[in-house]
Amino acid sequence: GENVEQHPSTLSVQEGDSAVIKCTYSDSASNYFPWYKQELGKGPQLIIDIRSNVGEKKDQRIAVTLNKTAKHFSLHITETQPEDSAVYFCAAPGAAGNKLTFGGGTRVLVKP
Amino acid sequence: GAVVSQHPSWVICKSGTSVKIECRSLDFQATTMFWYRQFPKQSLMLMATSNEGSKATYEQGVEKDKFLINHASLTLSTLTVTSAHPEDSSFYICSALTPPEYGYTFGSGTRLTVV
Repeated sequence: GENVEQHPSTLSVQEGDSAVIKCTYSDSASNYFPWYKQELGKGPQLIIDIRSNVGEKKDQRIAVTLNKTAKHFSLHITETQPEDSAVYFCAAPGAAGNKLTFGGGTRVLVKP
Repeated sequence: GAVVSQHPSWVICKSGTSVKIECRSLDFQATTMFWYRQFPKQSLMLMATSNEGSKATYEQGVEKDKFLINHASLTLSTLTVTSAHPEDSSFYICSALTPPEYGYTFGSGTRLTVV
């Protein structure tokens, strides 16, 4: 099955700086790569996703890049704000089709 | 956008009793739903995949007789934790495959505490 690795596990940044989280996946059949933000006690919320037919996607301060050859994708948050503090998860579906496998998560702390 | 409603948000039950968690798709038909379990400071682990009108498919190591999943309609899937024990205490989250682009929408989660 799919194996997704995520780094770093924790990330502390100063408000206004950028944050980058990287994920690698094992199954070359994966074709959909979402990123989720999870706040304490809540379910994951989709913040951005990318499909394998594009290399980059941007939504305001958030962007995702995908390198299918290297099998990795990254989340970029610019101009970080304290409300960006949360746990972020990447995921990929693998060849099984629709079962998402999650990375281990990154705890992001934005210091004011 | 698509909304998945999950209830209850938290529940405390006595050891040996059963607990039912509901997951509803409010504005779309969910032919496929997923159930995850998340322990503190850990990632989401898939427990099972449920398809409307058929038996759920459980991941390796998940006891199907303990975690009963029913997906009897296109808008409702339920997870029943039977004969709950303290080690079943966890955060349970449902998700639905969401048309038209078939992303995934997550419920808000249920915190189960077994005492």
